[in-house]
Amino acid sequence: AQKITQTQPGMFVQEKEAVTLDCTYDTSDQSYGLFWYKQPSSGEMIFLIYQGSYDEQNATEGRYSLNFQKARKSANLVISASQLGDSAMYFCAMSDSWGKLQFGAGTQVVVTP
Amino acid sequence: GAVVSQHPSRVICKSGTSVKIECRSLDFQATTMFWYRQFPKKSLMLMATSNEGSKATYEQGVEKDKFLINHASLTLSTLTVTSAHPEDSSFYICSASGGVRGGHEQYFGPGTRLTVT
Repeated sequence: AQKITQTQPGMFVQEKEAVTLDCTYDTSDQSYGLFWYKQPSSGEMIFLIYQGSYDEQNATEGRYSLNFQKARKSANLVISASQLGDSAMYFCAMSDSWGKLQFGAGTQVVVTP
Repeated sequence: GAVVSQHPSRVICKSGTSVKIECRSLDFQATTMFWYRQFPKKSLMLMATSNEGSKATYEQGVEKDKFLINHASLTLSTLTVTSAHPEDSSFYICSASGGVRGGHEQYFGPGTRLTVT
């Protein structure tokens, strides 16, 4: 069975600073995908970044980077130069070989001026 | 690209009535669509997976007779909450896959907030 763990229920970060959101996972699959989504108060799920289990390089998308440590089964999200608009709920998710996503509990990020 | 719409965005219905929620992929063909349910301040929980032209696969604990899913075409899936009760009130989100990342990437609709009175 797959499991996704986000241990930080909430975080405060100052504008322009970087923040790291933790995510660990457990799976017996050899092939899987790791995702991060942002959910603002409006409820929409916004795709941020993807890392395949066979990708050797860490994924980056603009201010988002994924620190993928396969041996430790972690896939932390780093947001650089935080902006007020980054305040939202952030979910880590893992896909299985069927493409089904399992989500972590989420981390609420609040960016302060 | 990869836009998914949901309709309606918000619906209020009376106990005992049925409600249909539509999920459409607007600019790509979605071989698979997923339906999630989210309670306030909680994570998304997968309800079912639907593939075009075949019966939906429901997750454990989800009543298939209560949550009817139809995936009639590569761009449309519908979720019908039958004989709705107040405990069915929730945020329902669909997603569609068929993208470029080996089919793993899912694009989410904006969600439908259902309130049953």
